[in-house]
Amino acid sequence: DAGITQSPRHKVTETGTPVTLRCHQTENHRYMYWYRQDPGHGLRLIHYSYGVKDTDKGEVSDGYSVSRSKTEDFLLTLESATSSQTSVYFCAISEANWGFSYGYTFGSGTRLTVV
Amino acid sequence: GQQVMQIPQYQHVQEGEDFTTYCNSSTTLSNIQWYKQRPGGHPVFLIQLVKSGEVKKQKRLTFQFGEAKKNSSLHITATQTTDVGTYFCAGLFSGTYKYIFGTGTRLKVLA
Repeated sequence: DAGITQSPRHKVTETGTPVTLRCHQTENHRYMYWYRQDPGHGLRLIHYSYGVKDTDKGEVSDGYSVSRSKTEDFLLTLESATSSQTSVYFCAISEANWGFSYGYTFGSGTRLTVV
Repeated sequence: GQQVMQIPQYQHVQEGEDFTTYCNSSTTLSNIQWYKQRPGGHPVFLIQLVKSGEVKKQKRLTFQFGEAKKNSSLHITATQTTDVGTYFCAGLFSGTYKYIFGTGTRLKVLA
């Protein structure tokens, strides 16, 4: 979907290094999410944002931090990458009314490998 | 914790056969959404169910939400090779603002 882009698409990094993934949207949606996808676990929520500078933790937030200084950008930072954070990371956006999302639009994903 | 269980994990069918995947929650859901992810792709929103007992259809796909709003199903009639992918449900628990995804059902269609 053209309204949401993730960068980079692929990254290989070394254990212990910080890594930042970027999600950019042009839809002006209020809600943005970071998920990770691993075999057998489906999609697990890391962090989400419900507005500029408003963020909250998801199911698997340990070792991750986020920032949202503008409506269109949501950054995910792995503070000190570990091999267990090797995964495919998806960003998603939505408009929602009182928690009732109108469906998430996902980005194309970032495949991160920590060696 | 809040979980949405999805079964089966995998399903192989012959082209033309029907396919069903099920999602179950131990507690009441406010609503449930369904997504499809093609191999190597990203999840794509299919539909949202909100009302108890709701049934919606999209061509060969039929979506149902249980009367107690604790379970849901997706049924595909006469599968085609284009149906290949992983189907996810995502439930919104009452009183929360975060959707919880099921683990997905990977569908393979044999021509």
